[in-house]
Amino acid sequence: DIVMTQTPLSSPVTLGQPASISCRSSQSLVHSDGNTYLSWLQQRPGQPPRVLIYKISNRFSGVPDRFSGSGAGTDFTLKISRVEAEDVGVYYCMQAAQLPYTFGQGTKLEIK
Amino acid sequence: QVQLQESGPGLVKPSGTLSLTCAVSGESISSSNWWSWVRQPPGKGLEWIGEISHSGTNYNPSLKSRVTMSVDKSKNQLSLNLSSVTAADTAVYYCARFQWPYFTYWGQGTLVTVSS
Repeated sequence: DIVMTQTPLSSPVTLGQPASISCRSSQSLVHSDGNTYLSWLQQRPGQPPRVLIYKISNRFSGVPDRFSGSGAGTDFTLKISRVEAEDVGVYYCMQAAQLPYTFGQGTKLEIK
Repeated sequence: QVQLQESGPGLVKPSGTLSLTCAVSGESISSSNWWSWVRQPPGKGLEWIGEISHSGTNYNPSLKSRVTMSVDKSKNQLSLNLSSVTAADTAVYYCARFQWPYFTYWGQGTLVTVSS
């Protein structure tokens, strides 16, 4: 299985300030078709997860442009340019390059 | 708009079988998408259990010996059976639509507790 490792596991952020979450995979996430299947999910308290970013840097429909993704190969980053109160929750990276799909441990974003 | 709703017993005895269903509305269960089960132990992260489509099934090897997934086209729903459960199987169980290469829709989840 591909192991996904996120850092930090907890991120206290001031409203309006940026936040950054890193995700590292134990193997390259480049699929045989040439695409890299790394996505980011947000889980607000008491809610199911929802996709924010797919294929490293593509924002899902309706996701604010303050969210951005970057990276390649085995190292990826989710950035929030200016944190808002509604961004509180747990963020997960997930790989779909190889079965079984696996998730990072989650990074809890909280407001200072 | 696709909607998914999980249902099933909230309490299962150890060594028993966990059985859940997921009712899908807004899309045929026979579509080209994959339908997954993902679980989340209380206060912990996400674990992919497996997926099913008209093409077949894929299971997480860590659970494969205990998992069975099926679909009921007449009811437009999918089912999950997990046998020989232990306390470690206590979790919120989600069904989700996997529209390659990401999950687009999720149910609200249902908590299943394994306890005598």
